[in-house]
Amino acid sequence: SQQGEEDPQALSIQEGENATMNCSYKTSINNLQWYRQNSGRGLVHLILIRSNEREKHSGRLRVTLDTSKKSSSLLITASRAADTASYFCATDGLQGAQKLVFGQGTRLTINP
Amino acid sequence: NAGVMQNPRHLVRRRGQEARLRCSPMKGHSHVYWYRQLPEEGLKFMVYLQKENIIDESGMPKERFSAEFPKEGPSILRIQQVVRGDSAAYFCASRPRVVAGADTQYFGPGTRLTVL
Repeated sequence: SQQGEEDPQALSIQEGENATMNCSYKTSINNLQWYRQNSGRGLVHLILIRSNEREKHSGRLRVTLDTSKKSSSLLITASRAADTASYFCATDGLQGAQKLVFGQGTRLTINP
Repeated sequence: NAGVMQNPRHLVRRRGQEARLRCSPMKGHSHVYWYRQLPEEGLKFMVYLQKENIIDESGMPKERFSAEFPKEGPSILRIQQVVRGDSAAYFCASRPRVVAGADTQYFGPGTRLTVL
């Protein structure tokens, strides 16, 4: 079964720096999504990239997708303290409209 | 437009008791998913339901767990005879009917179950 795996597991940077998180998966997908989770809270949808897309932007977020390598990256530019959270990638299989498979997440800490 | 609602937000049960978790999807959403998150881990799919139908329950434990999404009212995840290993955060997500571009699942705040 497909599985998203993020790296690094934890990332700590200074405010204002850029943060890059990576995600790998095992099987073909319909789309890949990134979510943010603040400690003890629910998930917030950040961005969705479809399998026929290579790059997508939303504000300070930039997501890339390389289906040949089965990998994706999430870049947060000009990080802020409020970006401190766990970030998860989730894949939606070819059957579509079905269950999301989540990675273990990257815990991002932005130091002021 | 209210988001996905879950209640209770926190639930404490003793071993052997029953836990009932409720999820009200976003207005207009007829697809509901339940996920479980253990501490320091990602979410794991449990079950996918549409109104009055279970579509995919491949992630549900074979015993003690059941889910429903009746024609009227919220979706319910029921755990009978809870054990300490059931302690986790349970998240519900919803999305609209299957149409192009409606792939995003919107998550509720979760129910944190603690089994003593």
